[in-house]
Parts: sequence; C-alpha cells; structure tokens
Amino acid sequence: QLQLQESGPGLVKPSETLSLTCAVSGGSITNRTYYWGWVRQPPGKGPEWIGNIYFSGSTYYNPSLKSRVTISVDTSKNRFSLRLTSVTAADTAVYYCARVPRVAKAAAGTGAFDHWGQGTLVTVAS
Amino acid sequence: ETVMTQSPATLSVSPGERATLSCRASQSVGSNLAWYQKKPGQAPRLLIYGASTRATGLPARFSGSGSGTEFTLTISSLQSEDFAVYYCQQYNNWPPGNFGGGTKVEIK
Repeated sequence: QLQLQESGPGLVKPSETLSLTCAVSGGSITNRTYYWGWVRQPPGKGPEWIGNIYFSGSTYYNPSLKSRVTISVDTSKNRFSLRLTSVTAADTAVYYCARVPRVAKAAAGTGAFDHWGQGTLVTVAS
Repeated sequence: ETVMTQSPATLSVSPGERATLSCRASQSVGSNLAWYQKKPGQAPRLLIYGASTRATGLPARFSGSGSGTEFTLTISSLQSEDFAVYYCQQYNNWPPGNFGGGTKVEIK
C-alpha cells in the first residue's frame, strides 16, 4: 500500500529556507505513470498547489511561488523534496506531499492528487 | 489564470438528506476537474476525478457531474462521516492545480 511521509522542521525563521522531504513507500517514485507534488494549506484557507516533479527531474511550479521554490527528486532513496526560500509568515501552513497520476489531456505536469501524506505543519516565526 | 468558485460557502443539511455542491470555472476546464473531502487534522481525500469518476472505494452515494465551466458534486444521502469541507480543483489550464474556496457541509 502506497504511503507518503513528510519530514522536516516545524519552525522556520522569517527570511530563511523551508526544507521538507517526502518519503515514498509501497511504490516506486520512478513509476512513469505518476508525478509527485506538494500542496499546502494555510490555517483557515483552502489548499494551494506548490508544484510537481516527474522522476526524470522535470518540474512544474505554481507561478506565484516559482521564484522561491525548488522541488527535487532522489530516485535512489525513493523520495522527493521541497525548498522554499525567503519565507514569511504567509508561508505558515500544513504542507502535504501527494501523488499525481498523469493525465493525457490535461495541463502539463499535473492531474488530480490521489494519495496524500498526513501533512506537516510548518510555522514561520522568529 | 482559471478561477474556481464554489457555492454555497456553507451548506446545512440533515443526515439522510441530499447535498448538492457547485463549482464554477472562469473558463472551460473540459472534464479535468477533481473533488476532495477535507476533515480537520486529516489530509484531503480524493473523491472524484475526471469530473465524474469515483475514486477507488468511494461509496456510490457520491457522484460528480458537469463539464466545461459548471460542475456538481452530489451526496445522495448524507452520513455522519460526510460532514466536512469539500474542494474542487482544475487541472486543465495553466497554471494547473487551482482549488476552489471550498464548501463546508454542516449538520442542520
């Protein structure tokens, strides 16, 4: 059974870099059928797509975050990671990693998120 | 950017009743629309993808319909575990991944 598990610091100081990792078990991150992505949900707000990655390293980012986001993949460890630079309080959110089945007739690099990690709360505060 | 608008913001329904949730896209998204259920402290759960395809294991009381710009999620007979917030998401137009603002289904 597929499982995704986020890990990383729960507290990040303003202007610093948020770094999270998603470990994938019960399935291979190199499966050509899927992208792997990050979504966040600020307190009291709806979800926001951050970006997705394919096992080859191709990335697809939300334009609103693109200048600060890097998503990378480590196929040898079956995991992928998120880096978000220059964080502010507005980046406080529960961060989720998720799997995204590729869809033939959809926007490049995305689809519906069919399996999710449990989420990790990241608070930006000094 | 495609803006997703959900209505109503809150829906008060009695257990056993039917709930109808709407999602409107500012431009056509074809059938590339998903619905999610979100409960406090839990990850979102995919309910519907491709506008009308139920996710694996989803009870038949959930159904999705629509295409283009108008979509509906129907819960035919609300169970206690269905009270939650529901979000739609489009993945047809760039940038993809836009979620709607959500509809909270609460007990009447």
